[in-house]
Amino acid sequence: DTEVTQTPKHLVMGMTNKKSLKCEQHMGHRAMYWYKQKAKKPPELMFVYSYEKLSINESVPSRFSPECPNSSLLNLHLHALQPEDSALYLCASSQVQGGFEQFFGPGTRLTVL
Amino acid sequence: QKEVEQNSGPLSVPEGAIASLNCTYSDRVSQSFFWYRQYSGKSPELIMSIYSNGDKEDGRFTAQLNKASQYVSLLIRDSQPSDSATYLCAVSRVAPSGSARQLTFGSGTQLTVLP
Repeated sequence: DTEVTQTPKHLVMGMTNKKSLKCEQHMGHRAMYWYKQKAKKPPELMFVYSYEKLSINESVPSRFSPECPNSSLLNLHLHALQPEDSALYLCASSQVQGGFEQFFGPGTRLTVL
Repeated sequence: QKEVEQNSGPLSVPEGAIASLNCTYSDRVSQSFFWYRQYSGKSPELIMSIYSNGDKEDGRFTAQLNKASQYVSLLIRDSQPSDSATYLCAVSRVAPSGSARQLTFGSGTQLTVLP
């Protein structure tokens, strides 16, 4: 199984809502990533988990809260978002040795009203 | 200077031609290099990875790496309309924390293959 899955595919939320994005991989990878991608821009790294520990936080606002419950799952908890946070949120996973090739999930299209 | 730069395009080639996509990077300690293809509205798909100087071929795709010149390229032979997409160059290096790898993307080159 060489797939990264993400749910939901689409999410519309108000600025006062709390929601969560979920990501799952069954490739035995021990690094997982959250990226944010705006239209016609490359993905921007938000967080990196390595062996279920947060390794990188790219100065992301606290309204985004990541969680890695186990080696296969990655969540992104959202609270009090702003309209400018509307974007495609991508999850990826990779090995922590060797080539470090990152494989992306299909993404969650988030709209904040 | 951006960490990873790509010729911004857009690039148009006729069907059957060779498409050439270029990328330069600024960090000499970068260790792994990738090309991703992204169709409109979809997520990036890894199509090539290269780690050492020289050429690497996979079907119609050839990646070339020159670490001395800090240059990576992707050639697509016999281009097809289905190759029309944005191609992202990505460079991986050890993060400052030392515990993970960090992937930095170029801005992407939009390729259109004309039937």
